[in-house]
Amino acid sequence: GQNIDQPTEMTATEGAIVQINCTYQTSGFNGLFWYQQHAGEAPTFLSYNVLDGLEEKGRFSSFLSRSKGYSYLLLKELQMKDSASYLCAVPDMDSNYQLIWGAGTKLIIKP
Amino acid sequence: GAGVSQSPSNKVTEKGKDVELRCDPISGHTALYWYRQSLGQGLEFLIYFQGNSAPDKSGLPSDRFSAERTGGSVSTLTIQRTQQEDSAVYLCASSSNGPSTDTQYFGPGTRLTVL
Repeated sequence: GQNIDQPTEMTATEGAIVQINCTYQTSGFNGLFWYQQHAGEAPTFLSYNVLDGLEEKGRFSSFLSRSKGYSYLLLKELQMKDSASYLCAVPDMDSNYQLIWGAGTKLIIKP
Repeated sequence: GAGVSQSPSNKVTEKGKDVELRCDPISGHTALYWYRQSLGQGLEFLIYFQGNSAPDKSGLPSDRFSAERTGGSVSTLTIQRTQQEDSAVYLCASSSNGPSTDTQYFGPGTRLTVL
């Protein structure tokens, strides 16, 4: 079957760097999404990776290795506002429009 | 521009009552999704609309759940005879064309509590 695994919760310190991992098992591959979801709010798009390598967007970077079925989100210079859940998702290869969603990683930032 | 809007933001109802949740997608977006998110859980797909085509209802958990989309725009999700296990946040998302590679834009959700 197809599925995604992410750590349930992580804790990091303000100003530090944190890496949130996501591994996936799918029958094919068509990109990987990262979304951020603050408590009580809607998920918002962070990144979409199709090719291997690191893509940087300011303090946030996303990495993909298709051969390993692995991605990570790298957050630098952590701020308190980065406390949120980070959701990983990949297109469901049995569907033209559905995504398979990870359960999300809750990131707690401490001063 | 305006994002996806949902109403109500919160709904408290008694077991056995019917509820209607509304979603107004981004103007011009042809694809619309409904998801359910229970506390601390990932997103559970419920239903997908693409334009005026017949929806994919494969994710609806029971026949108490139904949804419609009028004029290819606004959508309502109806839950009949609500049960306590229906308590969750119901999220709506839209995307421009519908393929799974399109970015989905989410509304703020409706938090449903069934007493």
